[in-house]
Amino acid sequence: DTGVSQDPRHKITKRGQNVTFRCDPISEHNRLYWYRQTLGQGPEFLTYFQNEAQLEKSRLLSDRFSAERPKGSFSTLEIQRTEQGDSAMYLCASSFMGNEQYFGPGTRLTVT
Amino acid sequence: KNEVEQSPQNLTAQEGEFITINCSYSVGISALHWLQQHPGGGIVSLFMLSSGKKKHGRLIATINIQEKHSSLHITASHPRDSAVYICAVASGTYKYIFGTGTRLKVLA
Repeated sequence: DTGVSQDPRHKITKRGQNVTFRCDPISEHNRLYWYRQTLGQGPEFLTYFQNEAQLEKSRLLSDRFSAERPKGSFSTLEIQRTEQGDSAMYLCASSFMGNEQYFGPGTRLTVT
Repeated sequence: KNEVEQSPQNLTAQEGEFITINCSYSVGISALHWLQQHPGGGIVSLFMLSSGKKKHGRLIATINIQEKHSSLHITASHPRDSAVYICAVASGTYKYIFGTGTRLKVLA
């Protein structure tokens, strides 16, 4: 499968714990995007990378959130000290430059 | 007011009906993307367009750049078309701005 993959698909954690999600983009894509989707809403932009450089971050990305793409390939999104409001679907997408974005299956986070 | 508005928010149709979902946006865009999301979260690309009209099978997408409006049409709808249809616009740095989605249910 050469599509975008995300791991894990589901994560249940207790409030206050740290979680990390991984996204593997399509190999020839240089841009990687993270979005968050809450129930009944459309996805919202969090951040994006071009190669290893993080070029833009949304104000939704509080200090508890950090994203990396160290070698310009896979990316990780870490949430520290999780809160119940962090419960959402975290979607990753990739593209070559500004072309069509391809989405991964998402990681559903539940904070109890 | 959201930068991307979709209508209707919810739509129930009988199998075979012609369906139209609308998307209006207020920002300058480089392209508009229609996406389909099934329960469980996976998002599938339907169309990406910056002008005119595209057709794939029973799906047709149109865009009017001057009016900042796009429509997604489904002809001869089928229960397997039941999903959430999301309009996303690529603006500026090409990050997407999404509509809230149209929840379509097609009854047999």
